[in-house]
Amino acid sequence: RKEVEQDPGPFNVPEGATVAFNCTYSNSASQSFFWYRQDCRKEPKLLMSVYSSGNEDGRFTAQLNRASQYISLLIRDSKLSDSATYLCVVNIYNQGGKLIFGQGTELSVKP
Amino acid sequence: GAVVSQHPSWVICKSGTSVKIECRSLDFQATTMFWYRQFPKQSLMLMATSNEGSKATYEQGVEKDKFLINHASLTLSTLTVTSAHPEDSSFYICSARGSDRGLGGYTFGSGTRLTVV
Repeated sequence: RKEVEQDPGPFNVPEGATVAFNCTYSNSASQSFFWYRQDCRKEPKLLMSVYSSGNEDGRFTAQLNRASQYISLLIRDSKLSDSATYLCVVNIYNQGGKLIFGQGTELSVKP
Repeated sequence: GAVVSQHPSWVICKSGTSVKIECRSLDFQATTMFWYRQFPKQSLMLMATSNEGSKATYEQGVEKDKFLINHASLTLSTLTVTSAHPEDSSFYICSARGSDRGLGGYTFGSGTRLTVV
């Protein structure tokens, strides 16, 4: 079983749509959680950290459920520029700070 | 903000040759460097973790004699792919973390696209 699993993609949505990404992690010692965005042939960039209380950054809302080891990302009013691959990432306690990446979900926002 | 400069951005080499990839932290001290590899349509897979002045810790299945990592200073880490073969063609990315940075404080290099012909 993969340590971090995400929805298989791609997601093709029209502009203005709301899209949700799901992610589950298997290691209960996971300590920190992030969503990264990766554009084609580029390095990943931090989109937002994810907290148990849930957090919002503009059109983006992230949720964490530690009991079910589940993370989500909601994008509202999607823009063409949101087209990218979204990576669910966890940091596991006491493993030297390494990040474990999910396989990513590709999002394509169409006009 | 924190910047990690990674070079080269892309490289094409002949099978059997070695390639060195450099990552430099420009405005912070990178106490830990993580090296990842990404094949097309796949996610980033951690290859190894290196702490300044120490030997790198390799993930299971990664050959330490093939992927040589040096992290001799707080601002420079290198990955050398020795005797490269076509199956080593991939996107290699470094990620640096400083001792004064929190859990979210990872800075990625821009990646190196290696093609072995």
